[in-house]
Amino acid sequence: QKEVEQDPGPLSVPEGAIVSLNCTYSNSAFQYFMWYRQYSRKGPELLMYTYSSGNKEDGRFTAQVDKSSKYISLFIRDSQPSDSATYLCAMILSNDYKLSFGAGTTVTVRA
Amino acid sequence: DTEVTQTPKHLVMGMTNKKSLKCEQHMGHRAMYWYKQKAKKPPELMFVYSYEKLSINESVPSRFSPECPNSSLLNLHLHALQPEDSALYLCASSQEPQIQETQYFGPGTRLLVL
Repeated sequence: QKEVEQDPGPLSVPEGAIVSLNCTYSNSAFQYFMWYRQYSRKGPELLMYTYSSGNKEDGRFTAQVDKSSKYISLFIRDSQPSDSATYLCAMILSNDYKLSFGAGTTVTVRA
Repeated sequence: DTEVTQTPKHLVMGMTNKKSLKCEQHMGHRAMYWYKQKAKKPPELMFVYSYEKLSINESVPSRFSPECPNSSLLNLHLHALQPEDSALYLCASSQEPQIQETQYFGPGTRLLVL
């Protein structure tokens, strides 16, 4: 069993739809959770960074963490074609250096 | 400014060549990282530098040799690579090592080994 599970998709939605992405994890010691967006042939770009259980909102993006269920989510509202990318979840233990990544979900937003 | 820069953007090399990848950040970050990413896979950690000293080597073959000349620069020296080493090589940095800080990635160098 992988430490971090993420459905690779692909996921295709019409413009304006809500994109829902999620990851599950097995190590309850993970403390910090991140979502990265990666466009084709580019480096990952940090989108959201959360620590505690609950919701964090930034513009059209909402990150949710449920530590009791070991489940994290990213929602993208009013999706745009420019949101088409691969979304990677990542998490890290406290006082550690090593990010544990999900496989990445490829999202296409159709105009 | 959360920018990490990497040069070159693309590199093609033969198996007998020696080349270097360069990474630079001016955010005052004291931890820098090299990752390797194959197509449709997440990044895999290769090396971690903490305060300009190599702190982690994730069992990377010796044909990859990292170097940290100063707190802003990170190099990856390549020698006698194999075609399977073709990948996107990513540099990242974070403010402090082993104290939770977000890692910021550069755009990567796309390497092709012939």
